Parts: sequence; C-alpha cells; structure tokens
Amino acid sequence: QQPVQSPQAVILREGEDAVINCSSSKALYSVHWYRQKHGEAPVFLMILLKGGEQKGHEKISASFNEKKQQSSLYLTASQLSYSGTYFCGTPLPGGGNKLTFGTGTQLKVEL
Amino acid sequence: GAGVSQSPSNKVTEKGKDVELRCDPISGHTALYWYRQSLGQGLEFLIYFQGNSAPDKSGLPSDRFSAERTGGSVSTLTIQRTQQEDSAVYLCASSATSGVYNEQFFGPGTRLTVL
Repeated sequence: QQPVQSPQAVILREGEDAVINCSSSKALYSVHWYRQKHGEAPVFLMILLKGGEQKGHEKISASFNEKKQQSSLYLTASQLSYSGTYFCGTPLPGGGNKLTFGTGTQLKVEL
Repeated sequence: GAGVSQSPSNKVTEKGKDVELRCDPISGHTALYWYRQSLGQGLEFLIYFQGNSAPDKSGLPSDRFSAERTGGSVSTLTIQRTQQEDSAVYLCASSATSGVYNEQFFGPGTRLTVL
C-alpha cells in the first residue's frame, strides 16, 4: 500500500527546477506532501484531492492524475531552504485521514 | 500558539524494558496520529485517535504496543518488553479533524534506541 516515490535523491544548483513523483497501486482520492529537514518534524506542503481541489503553500505547485494514480510535486527556482526529504502520503483504508508514506526523496540544493 | 510537543526527545533503554512516549497535540485538535520512522524508511502509521477513542489500531505492530489518549488531549504510546527492532523515531501528529482535507501537524519525535 505504500506509495512509490522517484527519484530517491536529487542534487540541484540554486535556481534550478525539480519534479518529484509519487505513484500508488491503489485508487487515490487524495495525496499529501510533506517536507522534513534533518532532525526536524515533517512540515505540511500540500494536499491534493480527487476532483481538483488543492490546499497548500503558494510557492509550491503539484499535480494529481487520478487515472494514473500519480502525483507530482514541482519545485521551481529552487532555493537553499528547499533542501530536505520530501514525502508523499496516501490514505489508508478505513477513513480517518490515516496516511501511508513513501520512503522519501532527498533533495539537496547547492550554491 | 505551541505546536505539537513530544517527550522525551531521546530515550535509550535496554531490551525487555517498558517505555512510555508522550504527545501533547495542538489545543483543540480532535484527531491524533502516531507514526514510526525507521532509518531510511517512510513514516509507518501506528494508531489514530478521534477524541479519546481509537477507531483504528491496525498499524500497531504487536500486542506489546498500546496507546491511550485522555481528555481529548495528551496521548501516551507504551511499548512493553522492548525489542531492538523497536528502535526508531516515533512521531505524533494532530489535526483539527480527521477529515481528508486537513493537514497533519507533526511533533519533533522521540528517538528510541533499544540496546
């Protein structure tokens, strides 16, 4: 049930763009994105719902393809502060907004 | 305006001992979640509370794990007879409700090391 993320790791120069992908073998009605810096708590980035609703940070954009059961997170004009591990989470059965997360994508932005 | 807090931040214990991990959610948040993060892994769901009741304990890895929540606020995760495979970072999160459009606010975690 755990979603699969790609790539596992990426290194960018400041100002470059990156795309992080998340796919599931099960039908999805929502995808959640979080970023975790080393030794810190995961921080909410975005929720995407089936039907097109989105909620999240203004500077982050993402897409959700319900048919393909995939979501992508777009990081444009990357900044040093974007460094961290990005996790996508998808709902577990039974409601309650319980999430199962992918193993993460490590992003490092360098000068 | 405090966020989610957890204590202790680090816990080292010997195999076979019991441990208690505490989570203080954001005030007014009715939903509370426990996750476990092992090295190089994603976050693994353990248990979820709506108010004081736990409608879903399906993620608890064994009967050595239990959790409770009192007063719709503080939650305690207890691990009995700890094993080395229990070593991980235990994260607590809360959200305003358990609706699908609610983000979860995570605490800093408790790093548990079982020797």
